[in-house]
Amino acid sequence: EVQLVESGGGLVQPGRSLKLSCLASGFTFSNYGMNWIRQAPGKGLEWVASISSSSSYIYYADTVKGRFTISRDNAKNTLYLQMTSLRSEDTALYYCARGITNKPFAYWGQGTLVTVSS
Amino acid sequence: DIVLTQSPALTVSLEQRATISCKTSQNVDNYGISYMHWYQQKPGQQPKLLIYEGSNLASGIPARFSGSGSGTDFTLTIDPVEADDIATYYCQQSKDYPRTFGGGTKLELK
Repeated sequence: EVQLVESGGGLVQPGRSLKLSCLASGFTFSNYGMNWIRQAPGKGLEWVASISSSSSYIYYADTVKGRFTISRDNAKNTLYLQMTSLRSEDTALYYCARGITNKPFAYWGQGTLVTVSS
Repeated sequence: DIVLTQSPALTVSLEQRATISCKTSQNVDNYGISYMHWYQQKPGQQPKLLIYEGSNLASGIPARFSGSGSGTDFTLTIDPVEADDIATYYCQQSKDYPRTFGGGTKLELK
């Protein structure tokens, strides 16, 4: 069974940093591209970043480019999102999701909540 | 960026047909494949993939759900609607980066 478990969320002040993790199990992690998608409270879904299976290809939404860094450790079956210079508008539930190339986001984690507030 | 437009809400009666539309600002087809996908999200839950590549039913999804369309116009149909289908439905394209979602259509009971 595919499982994705996010962690690392919490309350953080504007301008500070936070690092999210997503532990994957139930599939060969190193074969799949991975993604971060977020959802602000009461709002819709917003794609944040994608990384290919070998980290060769990385893409970001313009809203986070230059502030967020997606990475992965295939030996640890873990996806990361390093978030810096956080803003109030980054407050959201952050999901990790499995998806490669042009395929859909077939599996999602439960999400980890990030709240940016002073 | 490819913009996806959905109606915010749809009111439907149980056992009737629900038709949810998604229009894109650019063609999301390539080499005969429509890179359009549909998700269901219930309150407090993560999104669940329903339909991929325009019309393919994801694993474990009831046949009451179907997808159609191509190019810039896509439709998710639920027939018949059951009480468990009350949720918000999102379309999403994977033809280009940035990946984009529609704003979501909230399905409500009449």
